[in-house]
Amino acid sequence: DAKTTQPNSMESNEEEPVHLPCNHSTISGTDYIHWYRQLPSQGPEYVIHGLTSNVNNRMASLAIAEDRKSSTLILHRATLRDAAVYYCILSKLYNFNKFYFGSGTKLNVKP
Amino acid sequence: NAGVMQNPRHLVRRRGQEARLRCSPMKGHSHVYWYRQLPEEGLKFMVYLQKENIIDESGMPKERFSAEFPKEGPSILRIQQVVRGDSAAYFCASSPSPGSTGELFFGEGSRLTVL
Repeated sequence: DAKTTQPNSMESNEEEPVHLPCNHSTISGTDYIHWYRQLPSQGPEYVIHGLTSNVNNRMASLAIAEDRKSSTLILHRATLRDAAVYYCILSKLYNFNKFYFGSGTKLNVKP
Repeated sequence: NAGVMQNPRHLVRRRGQEARLRCSPMKGHSHVYWYRQLPEEGLKFMVYLQKENIIDESGMPKERFSAEFPKEGPSILRIQQVVRGDSAAYFCASSPSPGSTGELFFGEGSRLTVL
């Protein structure tokens, strides 16, 4: 399965937008881009997923590059509760047994 | 609708003992996945089960680890003769049948400490 590259850590100020990048240069045509986040001492939580078009939901937006070799998770207004490790995962839809979490990006939100 | 329930949340075992971790999926979910997370690392897939069937166990260690999802009751991850290296957080996740939301739902995890 294709792997992803994310920065180890990022910092943001509260109530400002956050752009979390993910590179996936070996993505295949049927790979979906999934984002999950893990708050301290909790299980991962679904954030968003997409294939080719940009996606929006109540939690975040997902911007996918035209060549699909990279994507960006956008949190429109960061809150302290958004401090977590964010994982970008490539997988065929519903192939949850093929999820590779990697190290993710640890987001720190400053008040 | 209760989420994925795991118990115990914390478990301490001495080397050589057995650990049993239980997972009740969300109501209506028939697919269960177990992941393991070592300290300061990402989650790693272990096993994927449906009721009474193991679908994919490619991430399970060859020895001492087993998993089941019986027709009635929770899924169980069993670790025999635990060693210190088994100390980790074990997460269970569930999903409905494919064709729905594409979202995987995780429990809070069971944290195993081997002394």
